[in-house]
Amino acid sequence: DVKVTQSSRYLVKRTGEKVFLECVQDMDHENMFWYRQDPGLGLRLIYFSYDVKMKEKGDIPEGYSVSREKKERFSLILESASTNQTSMYLCASSLYRVNSGEQFFGPGTRLTVL
Amino acid sequence: GIQVEQSPPDLILQEGANSTLRCNFSDSVNNLQWFHQNPWGQLINLFYIPSGTKQNGRLSATTVATERYSLLYISSSQTTDSGVYFCAVEHGFGNEKLTFGTGTRLTIIP
Repeated sequence: DVKVTQSSRYLVKRTGEKVFLECVQDMDHENMFWYRQDPGLGLRLIYFSYDVKMKEKGDIPEGYSVSREKKERFSLILESASTNQTSMYLCASSLYRVNSGEQFFGPGTRLTVL
Repeated sequence: GIQVEQSPPDLILQEGANSTLRCNFSDSVNNLQWFHQNPWGQLINLFYIPSGTKQNGRLSATTVATERYSLLYISSSQTTDSGVYFCAVEHGFGNEKLTFGTGTRLTIIP
């Protein structure tokens, strides 16, 4: 079974803090993704990566950066957290670079920025 | 970009009833998945179904790619089926992200 894990289920941070969200997958997948989910707006892609050290902007990259130093790990970084970044963050992975196949999601991190 | 619409937005049923959830999409797709989001927020994979029909226990799904829709069938509903069901599609070349529909919230009453 594919397993995607995220470092925290719940996180509370203060405005201006630097925040790291970690995601690890155990199935040697090429692609990894970060989405956020907000009521009324659905799930939206922030960034994705198709290889180590490679990244592509998604639909809403502003205020975020990412890091992929190892194939199995994809980190989302909020350089200076703001209250409008309070959200549910979901990490996903898929096997292939192109026509990527089934995506598998982690359990999510509920981030609150005060 | 591609549009993904789900219907109905909300569905309330008695335990034991059957239901059909629909997903329409506006362009050709490489990949279509159905998910169930549980109360804790995790997206559970139900089907990976870019075309054809699949069954898994009480659930089945059909995608008619040429007509740009997919259906999810739930038979003999149980209270544990409650939650939000999402359809998501992958569209285009070199664009592996999933575009999600707005979801169907299913409530099963005992």
